[in-house]
Amino acid sequence: GAVVSQHPSWVICKSGTSVKIECRSLDFQATTMFWYRQFPKQSLMLMATSNEGSKATYEQGVEKDKFLINHASLTLSTLTVTSAHPEDSSFYICSARKAGTSEQYFGPGTRLTVT
Amino acid sequence: EDQVTQSPEALRLQEGESSSLNCSYTVSGLRGLFWYRQDPGKGPEFLFTLYSAGEEKEKERLKATLTKKESFLHITAPKPEDSATYLCAVPSMDSNYQLIWGAGTKLIIKP
Repeated sequence: GAVVSQHPSWVICKSGTSVKIECRSLDFQATTMFWYRQFPKQSLMLMATSNEGSKATYEQGVEKDKFLINHASLTLSTLTVTSAHPEDSSFYICSARKAGTSEQYFGPGTRLTVT
Repeated sequence: EDQVTQSPEALRLQEGESSSLNCSYTVSGLRGLFWYRQDPGKGPEFLFTLYSAGEEKEKERLKATLTKKESFLHITAPKPEDSATYLCAVPSMDSNYQLIWGAGTKLIIKP
């Protein structure tokens, strides 16, 4: 139990285009979902926190107009990288907090490469 | 200020050589302590949750323990496939339970 999926697992896009990444909790309801970014050999960096039906809360330095988050249901959150640039290339990981608990489960990650 | 510190930063062991990883924490209220394993290019894999001092949990060659100030992840007779970065985290006291992370311990098991 407690499986989180992400789609796609990797994506290559051209500079200036937008990319959407989906995060789904497959066998539990997620009160809160989190989006992280990780550069090679570095720690996870929290980008934003979202609750179902509410606007996401972004960490300092993260552009909310560039990284659009939608949390439409208790099992689905999406991250859209708008007008992507090469510096947005990174590994994006979502996590989901299981309703009624403090436990967070992570997706397998999405590798984004912007050319 | 809530804080999580892991040691050592890196640990190299021979296959079969048992050892422990440490996670010390300072939080205003403990709402669980989590251990994760992360392999390169993958998201963290949930291992254990510990909620109260004295609690222990086991999974294969791993055993996690908790005191009022720290947690240990004991690895018994490790194999090369146990090589990974092990992360410790505690939920903050905010309403979203945002995680406070340790920097991780990179474990390398040599055959």
